[in-house]
Amino acid sequence: AQSVTQPDIHITVSEGASLELRCNYSYGATPYLFWYVQSPGQGLQLLLKYFSGDTLVQGIKGFEAEFKRSQSSFNLRKPSVHWSDAAEYFCAVANNAGKSTFGDGTTLTVKP
Amino acid sequence: DTEVTQTPKHLVMGMTNKKSLKCEQHMGHRAMYWYKQKAKKPPELMFVYSYEKLSINESVPSRFSPECPNSSLLNLHLHALQPEDSALYLCASSQEVRGVNTEAFFGQGTRLTVV
Repeated sequence: AQSVTQPDIHITVSEGASLELRCNYSYGATPYLFWYVQSPGQGLQLLLKYFSGDTLVQGIKGFEAEFKRSQSSFNLRKPSVHWSDAAEYFCAVANNAGKSTFGDGTTLTVKP
Repeated sequence: DTEVTQTPKHLVMGMTNKKSLKCEQHMGHRAMYWYKQKAKKPPELMFVYSYEKLSINESVPSRFSPECPNSSLLNLHLHALQPEDSALYLCASSQEVRGVNTEAFFGQGTRLTVV
């Protein structure tokens, strides 16, 4: 069975500071990994994805993530956070059939 | 067009009502999904349609009935719902590339309240 763990329920960072959100997955084969962002009452927007190839992937809004197979991790990073980045962030793993399993999410608060 | 459009945005229904949620995409995606999301929780997969056929049903109660009339449309028919079914219902679609469903594009959701 596939599963995702996001260890941090809530993270607060100051505007301009760097950010790292953690994600650990469990999956029997090569995983398809995603990070999504969700603002209150809205749908999910894809930030970036990993299917294969380069383990450092670049996404939208200045985000990047690194796939580390040995650690079963896919952590999300951003060098300088903006106030508009405050939202809920979900890491997800999917199988070939499109069945996605999401982590419980990390709420990001940005201090001015 | 890279949008998934869901209607209505908000819906309030009684426990004896019948209503439908609608989802539309024009990206040529052949996989479409329904998710249910409760407050402060991650989305939970309900159904997957692949090439207009139901491929995954995550043991969803029969009061939820999905329908895929064509490759662009996905409906969710609701009947005799319970208050605990109140949630944000999200539709998504994805492309299939060499047998693999790629990333999902999500709609903005329908906020359903059952009274």
